[in-house]
Amino acid sequence: GQSLEQPSEVTAVEGAIVQINCTYQTSGFYGLSWYQQHDGGAPTFLSYNALDGLEETGRFSSFLSRSDSYGYLLLQELQMKDSASYFCAVPSGNTPLVFGKGTRLSVIA
Amino acid sequence: ETGVTQTPRHLVMGMTNKKSLKCEQHLGHNAMYWYKQSAKKPLELMFVYNFKEQTENNSVPSRFSPECPNSSHLFLHLHTLQPEDSALYLCASSQDLGRGGEKLFFGSGTQLSVL
Repeated sequence: GQSLEQPSEVTAVEGAIVQINCTYQTSGFYGLSWYQQHDGGAPTFLSYNALDGLEETGRFSSFLSRSDSYGYLLLQELQMKDSASYFCAVPSGNTPLVFGKGTRLSVIA
Repeated sequence: ETGVTQTPRHLVMGMTNKKSLKCEQHLGHNAMYWYKQSAKKPLELMFVYNFKEQTENNSVPSRFSPECPNSSHLFLHLHTLQPEDSALYLCASSQDLGRGGEKLFFGSGTQLSVL
C-alpha cells in the first residue's frame, strides 16, 4: 500500500517563504510529484523529483530525500495568487499517481 | 486551458437517474483517468485507461461504469447513485502510463450532487 502525509493547512504572509512537507510510504518508489489546485479549478502539475536534492522552477522549488521518504515544496516571494491547495503524489506499483490529502495554503497581506 | 475538457461542469441527479460524464483530451495522450475528489479526502483514483484498455479499477462500485471508445474520449456512466457519491469528478490524461514523472493534465471536473 501507500500513504502520504502532509499538513492540512498553512498560513503565510505575502512576500514570505513557506515550506510544505510531505512524507510518504509506498512500495516501489519512483518519484514525488507536486500539484497545485485553486478553488474551483483543476489540479495542475508543479514539479517532479526522482532523485535526491532540490529542483528549482522560478519561485517554486521541490526537494526530495529518498532515504527519509520525505520531500517538500518551497514557495518563495509569496503572492496572493499562491493561495491554493497543494498536493504531493507518488505512484505505487503499477498504479499511477496516488495523492495526499492536500495542504491548503492561505497567503495573507 | 489544460487541453482536457469535461462536461457538464455541474450535475444534480436523483438516486434513480442515469447520467453520463464526458471527458475529451486534445493533447494526443495515450492514458486517461477518472479521479473522485470529496471534501477533506484525497483525490481517489477510480479508473485508468491506457490505449483504450482499462488497466485499473480501484474497487469502484458497479454503479459507476467507465467507457473509453478511443484515446481522446472517456465517459463515466452513472446509475442508482447514493448521496455519498456527491463529489467533484476529475478526468485526467498523460502521455503514457508511466511510473512517476508522467505529468497528469486535469480537466476542471464535474461537480456532482446526488439527491
